[in-house]
Amino acid sequence: ELKVEQNPLFLSMQEGKNYTIYCNYSTTSDRLYWYRQDPGKSLESLFVLLSNGAVKQEGRLMASLDTKARLSTLHITAAVHDLSATYFCAVDMEGGATNKLIFGTGTLLAVQP
Amino acid sequence: NAGVTQTPKFQVLKTGQSMTLQCAQDMNHEYMSWYRQDPGMGLRLIHYSVGAGITDQGEVPNGYNVSRSTTEDFPLRLLSAAPSQTSVYFCASSPAGNYGYTFGSGTRLTVV
Repeated sequence: ELKVEQNPLFLSMQEGKNYTIYCNYSTTSDRLYWYRQDPGKSLESLFVLLSNGAVKQEGRLMASLDTKARLSTLHITAAVHDLSATYFCAVDMEGGATNKLIFGTGTLLAVQP
Repeated sequence: NAGVTQTPKFQVLKTGQSMTLQCAQDMNHEYMSWYRQDPGMGLRLIHYSVGAGITDQGEVPNGYNVSRSTTEDFPLRLLSAAPSQTSVYFCASSPAGNYGYTFGSGTRLTVV
């Protein structure tokens, strides 16, 4: 059974600081997805990582994938309040491009001024 | 461009009642999925479809039925609602291949 674990589950950080969210998964997959969810809202696709060593960046967020370690990271650089949200990683449950995604439990990020 | 449209946004059911959550997308996406979101549990896949006439079960399919007669629509049916089905339900769609999902705005369902 595929398990997707994120840590930390809750992250309170100050504006201007850097931090990393970790996503571990338990089965072979070369595809990993990151989503953002604002409180009471729907989910928004952030990154799609398609191969070992893939790195994607958008603004203050950078995501990477290490398929050998079954690990993805979401790095936050110089955090701002607007980044406060819940971040989810997700892995294809069949290891390929089926889009049958299994989600982690999410990391609630609170950026304090 | 409406994207993924879910109706209703809120619903209260009594135990044992049935209902259908509607989901429609106008992007000609092949893949569609239903997820439920419960506090502390992330999102869990209920049912999944890769195209009209093709559906498959996800992680938590019991108590739910789906059908996909057209590319655009993917309704989720609760045959006999139970309090354990109280949740927020999200429908999502994507093109075939390595693309992230576009999610609907969700349906908040309470079963009393």
